[in-house]
Amino acid sequence: KQEVTQIPAALSVPEGENLVLNCSFTDSAIYNLQWFRQDPGKGLTSLLLIQSSQREQTSGRLNASLDKSSGRSTLYIAASQPGDSATYLCAVEAAGNKLTFGGGTRVLVKP
Amino acid sequence: GAVVSQHPSWVICKSGTSVKIECRSLDFQATTMFWYRQFPKQSLMLMATSNEGSKATYEQGVEKDKFLINHASLTLSTLTVTSAHPEDSSFYICSAPGQGIEKLFFGSGTQLSVL
Repeated sequence: KQEVTQIPAALSVPEGENLVLNCSFTDSAIYNLQWFRQDPGKGLTSLLLIQSSQREQTSGRLNASLDKSSGRSTLYIAASQPGDSATYLCAVEAAGNKLTFGGGTRVLVKP
Repeated sequence: GAVVSQHPSWVICKSGTSVKIECRSLDFQATTMFWYRQFPKQSLMLMATSNEGSKATYEQGVEKDKFLINHASLTLSTLTVTSAHPEDSSFYICSAPGQGIEKLFFGSGTQLSVL
């Protein structure tokens, strides 16, 4: 059974610092890995999707890497802003579009 | 881009009542939709897979008689929480795969509070 773990569970940084969020998964037989943003009581916003054959994806200040063999992904957010405060979830996709989510990292960027 | 509409956004009900949540794919067809549940400070857990024209597939530990799923058309799936109790209070969210791509699109979620 796939298990996804995110470390740290919570993170508080001053504005301008870079954020590093970690995600690990136990079964490397995945189709892809996604990073999502979730604001309190709201749905999910997909940030980046990395196919299993890729090693990284970039979008603006966000960069995500994937090391499938070791079961790890890292999300980097450069020059953090207060608006980046949210919960970040990583999820791996197996057959049938089913996602297994990690527990999330709650990020607070202080102005 | 593809949009999944989910409503209501929030609902408060008395214990024992049934609550229906709708999930619609607005500009694409979805033969499959997924229902997730998220308890406070926990991650999302897949409850069931909704299949158009056939029975839903439930994950282990999810009561199919309590969480009724109907996928009557290619754009609509509904989740009915029957005889809701306070322990059913949770955030429910649906998702649907976009056609031709591997990306999943999520609804905005429904916060259910059972008194």
